[in-house]
Amino acid sequence: QLQLQESGPGLLKPSETLSLTCTVSDDSISSTSYFWGWIRQPPGKGLEWIGNIYHSGKTYINPSLKSRVTMSVDTSKTQFSLKMSSVTAADTAVYFCARQGDFWSGDHITRFFDYWSQGTLVTVSS
Amino acid sequence: IQLTQSPTSVSASVGDRVSITCRASPGMGSGLAWYQQKPGKPPKLLIYDASTLESGVPSRFSGSGSGTEFTLTISSLQPGDFATYHCQQFDSYPFTFGPGTKVDIK
Repeated sequence: QLQLQESGPGLLKPSETLSLTCTVSDDSISSTSYFWGWIRQPPGKGLEWIGNIYHSGKTYINPSLKSRVTMSVDTSKTQFSLKMSSVTAADTAVYFCARQGDFWSGDHITRFFDYWSQGTLVTVSS
Repeated sequence: IQLTQSPTSVSASVGDRVSITCRASPGMGSGLAWYQQKPGKPPKLLIYDASTLESGVPSRFSGSGSGTEFTLTISSLQPGDFATYHCQQFDSYPFTFGPGTKVDIK
């Protein structure tokens, strides 16, 4: 059973940089069939896709966050990471990392998030 | 692609048939997934490609639709199905989620 585990500070001050790392329990991080994503959920609210990264380092980032977000991957450590600069209280949320299946299905690409981390609450407060 | 869900919440009883609608604007292809989320837990994949049941998910869950309107149906609600349900589109970047539909006990 694949497991994903985030690590990183849970409390930040405004203007600081959020840094989270997601450790994947097997070497599927190097597979050509998966992207690796970050999703967040403010308390009591809906889900927001932050972005994803491929084992090659190719990224797709939500344009609403693109100016503040960078992602990286270290396949040797089976980890991928998220950095978000200049955080504010609006960035307070539970942050999830997830595996995104990405398969050619004949006439379209099949995608889904099939494995998720438990989530970590990041609070931004002075 | 913007996703809306209706209803926002629904109260139902065990055994009821429940349908949740996800509307996409503009219209899209079949790259829509449905997730179930319980409090304090991550979302769980139920359906992908609008109608394909994820392995291990009970057959009382089904998905349908295309274009601008998609539906998740629970044919006979079970106690463990009381949760919030989210749709997500993978048709084009940026991927987006619907706001969620809470299914609670009547």
